[in-house]
Amino acid sequence: GAVVSQHPSRVICKSGTSVKIECRSLDFQATTMFWYRQFPKQSLMLMATSNEGSKATYEQGVEKDKFLINHASLTLSTLTVTSAHPEDSSFYICSATSGGDPVETQYFGPGTRLLVL
Amino acid sequence: AQKVTQAQTEISVVEKEDVTLDCVYETRDTTYYLFWYKQPPSGELVFLIRRNSFDEQNEISGRYSWNFQKSTSSFNFTITASQVVDSAVYFCALRAGNTGKLIFGQGTTLQVKP
Repeated sequence: GAVVSQHPSRVICKSGTSVKIECRSLDFQATTMFWYRQFPKQSLMLMATSNEGSKATYEQGVEKDKFLINHASLTLSTLTVTSAHPEDSSFYICSATSGGDPVETQYFGPGTRLLVL
Repeated sequence: AQKVTQAQTEISVVEKEDVTLDCVYETRDTTYYLFWYKQPPSGELVFLIRRNSFDEQNEISGRYSWNFQKSTSSFNFTITASQVVDSAVYFCALRAGNTGKLIFGQGTTLQVKP
């Protein structure tokens, strides 16, 4: 149980284009999803927290107009990197928690490697 | 302030050796949770263990064991008889407060050589 998937696993795009990344909880309803980015050999940096049906809460320094997050259902959250630039190249990972888990362990997706040329 | 420190950036051991990964945390909350995750080269974070602040019992799961000591604010992770498949980056994380956010340490890269 507690499986989280992400799609695509890898994407290469041209500078200026937008990229959408999907995060799905496969066998549970995710009341909360988190989006992280990770640069090579670094730790995970939380970008935003999203709750189903409400606006995402962004961490300080994360541009909400650049990184659009939608959590339209209890099993799907999307992150759209708008007008991507090379500095947006990174590893993006989502995680999800189930409201049924009182301790709210975060289960992570396999990540999406974004390369902006 | 909430903080997690993993002082060991990289550790290299030979297969079958025991290895301990250190984790020190800071929080003013009395209720908090500690986690360990494994990140193999594929990138996916694999949940290993969760501990709450009221449970200081050490835990053993196969070759893995965890030592939680509130007196020193540490939550160390030991792998006994390490194997090549244990090679990965290991993250310690803290969840405190009501936001559900995880605060990660910088990670320790473990390399187990055959």
